[in-house]
Amino acid sequence: DAGVIQSPRHEVTEMGQEVTLRCKPISGHDYLFWYRQTMMRGLELLIYFNNNVPIDDSGMPEDRFSAKMPNASFSTLKIQPSEPRDSAVYFCASSLARGKGDYGYTFGSGTRLTVV
Amino acid sequence: GQQLNQSPQSMFIQEGEDVSMNCTSSSIFNTWLWYKQEPGEGPVLLIALYKAGELTSNGRLTAQFGITRKDSFLNISASIPSDVGIYFCAGQPNSGYALNFGKGTSLLVTP
Repeated sequence: DAGVIQSPRHEVTEMGQEVTLRCKPISGHDYLFWYRQTMMRGLELLIYFNNNVPIDDSGMPEDRFSAKMPNASFSTLKIQPSEPRDSAVYFCASSLARGKGDYGYTFGSGTRLTVV
Repeated sequence: GQQLNQSPQSMFIQEGEDVSMNCTSSSIFNTWLWYKQEPGEGPVLLIALYKAGELTSNGRLTAQFGITRKDSFLNISASIPSDVGIYFCAGQPNSGYALNFGKGTSLLVTP
């Protein structure tokens, strides 16, 4: 398996522009998570899905952020409009449900977002 | 989510030394996990712990799930330069499925 695939690896955009981050989870995994990593706040959970359904989006900073999972093999995180304070590394991770095998997330390599 | 207190924040050691780091929480967790992150990559799972008191090894790494379910530690024996990275603890609370992460321990190993 190729693991969790994220694209793009790097994104530089101007303030006010729309940004879309993409994620392909591991085939057969039940859960998909979006995390944001910064030096100040560490790894923060933004939202997670179970079987393509959003379960908890309480970590989404504000209405500028939205996430979708139209099918089991694809998810997007969109920021519109982007602001400099959104600059961070965004990680996607997926996992099996408890009892279906080894627990623990598999992370993608992340998207480093810079908003100027 | 519940913030985990991870210490130390950083460690600078010589090759061959043993390393110990720990994580505490004010809340009970069902599962404790330890991850390692290298520059430019996502965290990679090292060890998962599922029961209070559980002691698990993975090569030179050993981790334990505290009996109070509010803490965990990770030991690395005979460190080598490739152990360099940031180590994160993570816990799954009783409610919800998502993991809460510590702020990480940055490990530097000199030859």
